Amino acid sequence: DADVTQTPRNRITKTGKRIMLECSQTKGHDRMYWYRQDPGLGLRLIYYSFDVKDINKGEISDGYSVSRQAQAKFSLSLESAIPNQTALYFCATQQGSGGYTFGSGTRLTVV
Amino acid sequence: KNEVEQSPQNLTAQEGEFITINCSYSVGISALHWLQQHPGGGIVSLFMLSSGKKKHGRLIATINIQEKHSSLHITASHPRDSAVYICAGTTSGGGADGLTFGKGTHLIIQP
Repeated sequence: DADVTQTPRNRITKTGKRIMLECSQTKGHDRMYWYRQDPGLGLRLIYYSFDVKDINKGEISDGYSVSRQAQAKFSLSLESAIPNQTALYFCATQQGSGGYTFGSGTRLTVV
Repeated sequence: KNEVEQSPQNLTAQEGEFITINCSYSVGISALHWLQQHPGGGIVSLFMLSSGKKKHGRLIATINIQEKHSSLHITASHPRDSAVYICAGTTSGGGADGLTFGKGTHLIIQP
């Protein structure tokens, strides 16, 4: 099993629908992050969490919410999806100030 | 605002060539990460550097703190090295607020 697992891998949804992207990790890392990747823009931070009780907004949090259900699980929700949220989404973990481990990504298309 | 700039954006080379990808970063970034993203989309962490040089197989990463510059070198390049290489910076304090990413270098190694 992968250290950081994202589900689903691909998703097509309609404008206005609520959608949840899930991330789970077996690394035991405290820090978890959600990023989105857009062509030409690189990766940008949406939300991050240091532990279950700590949630922080990143650079582009508008239109998104998160839930840290347990140390190992960090979910990203789009309350009402819109087409410009079409992107590749990555979950990542970090222990302390060390290196990062990324999930395989979720390709989301909003039509 | 923390910034990371990469060059070149695109690089095509012949198998066996020595490859260099450059990354410049702004004040406030204390460590550099080099990441690899294959066409399938997944991101793998290659190196994390705050000083000096690191080597793993045919990959070498260097950082010059005074000049705020890092390089990723690939020796004896091979078509399987074809990928997008991304440099990313963490801020002082261990990068608790996530990574600042460059826009990536798309590398193609032709047989």
